[in-house]
Amino acid sequence: AQSVAQPEDQVNVAEGNPLTVKCTYSVSGNPYLFWYVQYPNRGLQFLLKYITGDNLVKGSYGFEAEFNKSQTSFHLKKPSALVSDSALYFCAVRPYTGTASKLTFGTGTRLQVTL
Amino acid sequence: GAVVSQHPSRVICKSGTSVKIECRSLDFQATTMFWYRQFPKQSLMLMATSNEGSKATYEQGVEKDKFLINHASLTLSTLTVTSAHPEDSSFYICSAGGGGQNYGYTFGSGTRLTVV
Repeated sequence: AQSVAQPEDQVNVAEGNPLTVKCTYSVSGNPYLFWYVQYPNRGLQFLLKYITGDNLVKGSYGFEAEFNKSQTSFHLKKPSALVSDSALYFCAVRPYTGTASKLTFGTGTRLQVTL
Repeated sequence: GAVVSQHPSRVICKSGTSVKIECRSLDFQATTMFWYRQFPKQSLMLMATSNEGSKATYEQGVEKDKFLINHASLTLSTLTVTSAHPEDSSFYICSAGGGGQNYGYTFGSGTRLTVV
């Protein structure tokens, strides 16, 4: 069975500072990895994905994530946080298959960026 | 890019009534749709997976007679909460797969259901 762990319920960072939101995963075979952001009472917005290729993937709004196969991690990063980045972030994984497979989500990390 | 429209965004209904939530893929054919439920300050819980033209596959513990899912076309899936009770109050989100290279699927904006 696949699983995702987001060890931090909340991450606090000052605006302008770098941020990291941690994610580790477990899946059979090669993973498809994703980060999504959710604002209050809204659906999930796609930030970025790792499918194959370069381990460092760049996504929307200046976010990036690094796929580390040996550590089974896919941490989300941003060099300089903005107050507007404050939201709930979800890491998700699904196995590489030829057909649509289920996404498994982590429990979410609330990012709070303060002035 | 791929867009999924979910309606209504908010609905309040009386206990015992049924509520239908629609999920439409606007610019692609969604061969597979997923329905999630999200409790306050919690992650998304997959309720069921539906493939166009076939019966939905429900996750363990989800009552298929209570949460009716229909995926009759490649652009529309519906979730009907039958005989709703206050404990069914939640945030429901759909997602659709099949939009070309969208490996991560596209999510609707969610529906806040309140049963009074």
